[in-house]
Order: sequence, then structure tokens, then C-alpha cells
Amino acid sequence: DAGVIQSPRHEVTEMGQEVTLRCKPISGHNSLFWYRQTMMRGLELLIYFNNNVPIDDSGMPEDRFSAKMPNASFSTLKIQPSEPRDSAVYFCASSWGRGLTGELFFGEGSRLTVL
Amino acid sequence: QKEVEQNSGPLSVPEGAIASLNCTYSDRGSQSFFWYRQYSGKSPELIMSIYSNGDKEDGRFTAQLNKASQYVSLLIRDSQPSDSATYLCAVWGNRDDKIIFGKGTRLHILP
Repeated sequence: DAGVIQSPRHEVTEMGQEVTLRCKPISGHNSLFWYRQTMMRGLELLIYFNNNVPIDDSGMPEDRFSAKMPNASFSTLKIQPSEPRDSAVYFCASSWGRGLTGELFFGEGSRLTVL
Repeated sequence: QKEVEQNSGPLSVPEGAIASLNCTYSDRGSQSFFWYRQYSGKSPELIMSIYSNGDKEDGRFTAQLNKASQYVSLLIRDSQPSDSATYLCAVWGNRDDKIIFGKGTRLHILP
């Protein structure tokens, strides 16, 4: 079975540019999570969706970040405009249920570098 | 106080010894606790979950939970070089109603 698929795997962009990260969750999972990982802050939850509806976006840093889940098999995380402090690895994860069992399946991550 | 705290390490353990990883959490109402392993450059993967006080064993891994002390630990017996990774403690917080991760402990098994 295919796991969580993220693209792009690596993105290098210049400050001020728009960045779009994409995620395809595991078929049948109804929750999707976007995390950001840095050495300083660890793994931070940005937003999570349940049945395509955003449940908690309190971790989204500011208005420059937005996320959508138009259907059960696709989600995007957009940063506009990007800043150097956004450089991090962004993980998408999916699960059955809201993750109460803790079994989140992570994608391979998108490493973002903003120059 | 941070919600989920772990010693960042690195923790160095000789091959064949027991590695002990610790985690404390602040939300007393938390009910679900997890350990994830993350190899360098890879994504986290779930290795253990525990929901009630006491020990839970799975192969070489034992998770321990003490809700009164708000403390979770992971023991790895007969440590192998392949166990070298960062171990993330995660808690389903009753207050926040979501999974919160600690920053992780880097474990290095010495051959």
C-alpha cells in the first residue's frame, strides 16, 4: 500500500516567493495533520483536518500560512510570502480517527529552504 | 512549563545494555501516550503506545506510565546499533485535544 505522499521533497526558494506543499494521505484515513520540524522547536502541529474540515489551526504561525483540504485525498499548505525563518521540514501525516490512538502515518517530508 | 519535556541527549549506551528514555508532561488529564522513533533524515514512526498506569512490553521495548507523577518512559533492552535514532514522546492532551510531541532524545548505541 502506498503511504502518505508529499511533494516536493525539497524546495529552495527566495524570500517573498509563494511556496505550496502538497500531500496525499493514505486511502481510507479521515484525519490529516501538517507538522513543521526544526532543531529549535521540534515537531510542531500546524493544523489538522478531520473529514476534510479544519479542526485546529491554532499552530499556524500567522496569516502567511494557509492550508486547504478540498477532498479526502489531497491537501495543500501554502506560505505566502515566504521568509527565511520558515525554513524547516514540513511533514504531512494521516490517521484513522483524530489520532487518539496515536498512530499517525507520516510522509517523508518536504524540506524547505528560504534564502 | 513546556507541555512535553524530554532530555535532548545525546544519550550514549553500550551495545547490549538497557537504554532508558524519559518524558514528563504537564496536562494532568492526558490519557494517551506514545513513543515515536525517527532516524536521521527520515520521518517519525510509532513504536509504542500506552494508556494505563504500569508497564507495557513489546519485544525489546517496554513503555512505562505513571500518571500520578506525569511521567512516561521507554526502556530498550539488548540495545543494538540500529536503535540509534531520536525518540519522540507524544501525548494526547486532554486540555488541547490533540497530540503534542516532545523535542526528542537522541540515542546513540555504541558498538
